[in-house]
Amino acid sequence: GEDVEQSLFLSVREGDSSVINCTYTDSSSTYLYWYKQEPGAGLQLLTYIFSNMDMKQDQRLTVLLNKKDKHLSLRIADTQTGDSAIYFCAANPGGFKTIFGAGTRLFVKA
Amino acid sequence: DTGVSQDPRHKITKRGQNVTFRCDPISEHNRLYWYRQTLGQGPEFLTYFQNEAQLEKSRLLSDRFSAERPKGSFSTLEIQRTEQGDSAMYLCASSSTSGRTPGGQFFGPGTRLTVL
Repeated sequence: GEDVEQSLFLSVREGDSSVINCTYTDSSSTYLYWYKQEPGAGLQLLTYIFSNMDMKQDQRLTVLLNKKDKHLSLRIADTQTGDSAIYFCAANPGGFKTIFGAGTRLFVKA
Repeated sequence: DTGVSQDPRHKITKRGQNVTFRCDPISEHNRLYWYRQTLGQGPEFLTYFQNEAQLEKSRLLSDRFSAERPKGSFSTLEIQRTEQGDSAMYLCASSSTSGRTPGGQFFGPGTRLTVL
């Protein structure tokens, strides 16, 4: 079945760019998503990319998809302290089921 | 749009007791999901409803777990004879088969269950 893997931690300075990486195993995944989770809260859908796209930009967020390598990344420009959270990569291999990675904890130092 | 709500937010119970959680999805969403999340992990799929029909259950969902969505609106998740291993955050999410974020799910704040 589908497996989604992410690095566990990332630390950046305020104002720098953050790049969070993810790999997935099922090449039939149609949609890939990024979610954000702040302490004590549920997940917030940040953005998604369709599998026939290479890149999607949404304000400070840029998603890059390398379908050949099954690699997805989320770039956050001008990272702020309020961006400190856990970021989950998720893949939809078809139908309703979505598989989530374990999350990358982003620490933003002032 | 009031978002997905869950009740209660926290539940502490003794081992062997039954607990029930409620989820109210976004009103126009026909799909509803339950997940379990433990510390340091992403959400693990438990079950899925389309309208009132429960279409999929994970193998994680033992016989002690049951979920309902009687009128295709709110849903309940019941755990019978709770065990310490059931301690986790239980997340509910909803989505629409149409809309601007295909397949994207909107999550509630979760119910944190602690089994003593």
